[in-house]
Amino acid sequence: GENVEQHPSTLSVQEGDSAVIKCTYSDSASNYFPWYKQELGKGPQLIIDIRSNVGEKKDQRIAVTLNKTAKHFSLHITETQPEDSAVYFCAASKLPGGGADGLTFGKGTHLIIQP
Amino acid sequence: DVKVTQSSRYLVKRTGEKVFLECVQDMDHENMFWYRQDPGLGLRLIYFSYDVKMKEKGDIPEGYSVSREKKERFSLILESASTNQTSMYLCATQFSWTYEKLFFGSGTQLSVL
Repeated sequence: GENVEQHPSTLSVQEGDSAVIKCTYSDSASNYFPWYKQELGKGPQLIIDIRSNVGEKKDQRIAVTLNKTAKHFSLHITETQPEDSAVYFCAASKLPGGGADGLTFGKGTHLIIQP
Repeated sequence: DVKVTQSSRYLVKRTGEKVFLECVQDMDHENMFWYRQDPGLGLRLIYFSYDVKMKEKGDIPEGYSVSREKKERFSLILESASTNQTSMYLCATQFSWTYEKLFFGSGTQLSVL
């Protein structure tokens, strides 16, 4: 089955700096790559996703890039703010939304924004 | 907005007890999921359901069962709770397989003593 590796497990950046979280996946058939953000005491929320026919996608301060050849994808957050502090999960699946195999999640990155 | 409600935020049970975790959604979503979240292990799929009375095993179904008698409600059952089932349990819903987004509840932190 699919295996998703996520790095780093903890990332501390100064407010206003950029943050980058990286994930690699094992199954070349995977086509859908979402990122979820989990704030303290809440469930994860989808913040951005990308499909394999697209190399990059942006939404205001966040962007995701995908390299299908190398089987890795990354989350980029620019001009970080205190409210960006959270745990971020990457995921991969063959079908959008997971399909019958479901999404395979990475182990998560705890992003800490230092004032 | 979709609302996914998990019945308890914190739950403490004894080893060997039968435990029910309930999840209710208010948006007529077809698919419902139970995940387990452990530090350093991320989110792991226990079971999911794509219709009433239908269920499929996820990656770690051992020691768990599920029930979906009504579309809006999906229950996770621990037949005989063990200490290694101490964890955060997250319920999620999805409109259908063609709609990517998962909506998560706030989770139930279960402690088995």
